[in-house]
Amino acid sequence: DAKTTQPTSMDCAEGRAANLPCNHSTISGNEYVYWYRQIHSQGPQYIIHGLKNNETNEMASLIITEDRKSSTLILPHATLRDTAVYYCIVRVADGANSKLTFGKGITLSVRP
Amino acid sequence: DTAVSQTPKYLVTQMGNDKSIKCEQNLGHDTMYWYKQDSKKFLKIMFSYNNKELIINETVPNRFSPKSPDKAHLNLHINSLELGDSAVYFCASSLRQGRAIQYFGAGTRLSVL
Repeated sequence: DAKTTQPTSMDCAEGRAANLPCNHSTISGNEYVYWYRQIHSQGPQYIIHGLKNNETNEMASLIITEDRKSSTLILPHATLRDTAVYYCIVRVADGANSKLTFGKGITLSVRP
Repeated sequence: DTAVSQTPKYLVTQMGNDKSIKCEQNLGHDTMYWYKQDSKKFLKIMFSYNNKELIINETVPNRFSPKSPDKAHLNLHINSLELGDSAVYFCASSLRQGRAIQYFGAGTRLSVL
């Protein structure tokens, strides 16, 4: 599975959009970009995933560059409850013995 | 109803003891996992079971023995607990083997004294 690089931390103001970047320059053609988050003292939570098209769901939007070497997770209106560690993971969607490998993630702090 | 539930939430015990953590999922998933998150917050997979069959064993000491009585349950038994076993243990499940979308429990914080 391709490796990802994320900044260590970032913050944003409540109500503003939070744009979380991720670099995955060695991504393969059959690998997807997945985003999870882990709120303090909770288990990781799946947010969204995509292959090459931009994706949106009730939680967030995922923008993937045309060359697929980077992506951005967008929380359109961040709230205090969005403060968490966000993990960008690149891997195939279905792989018999594939694992979900969590890196260090990016710590998002939403300030009032 | 909680999709993936673990018990207990907290576990404090002495070195050398044996303890178990239980996990149940009501999602009808085929595959269940155990992850360990250490003090540095790295989250790593330990085991994966698919329909009660062990699929992934990530070179975990054999003091750790997962058991899956049915596909909705995956328990983790730990023998002869050591200080280094102190961590948060997460159970997760996915629809089937190898799926990247997984659902996690709230975690069990194990403290070995």
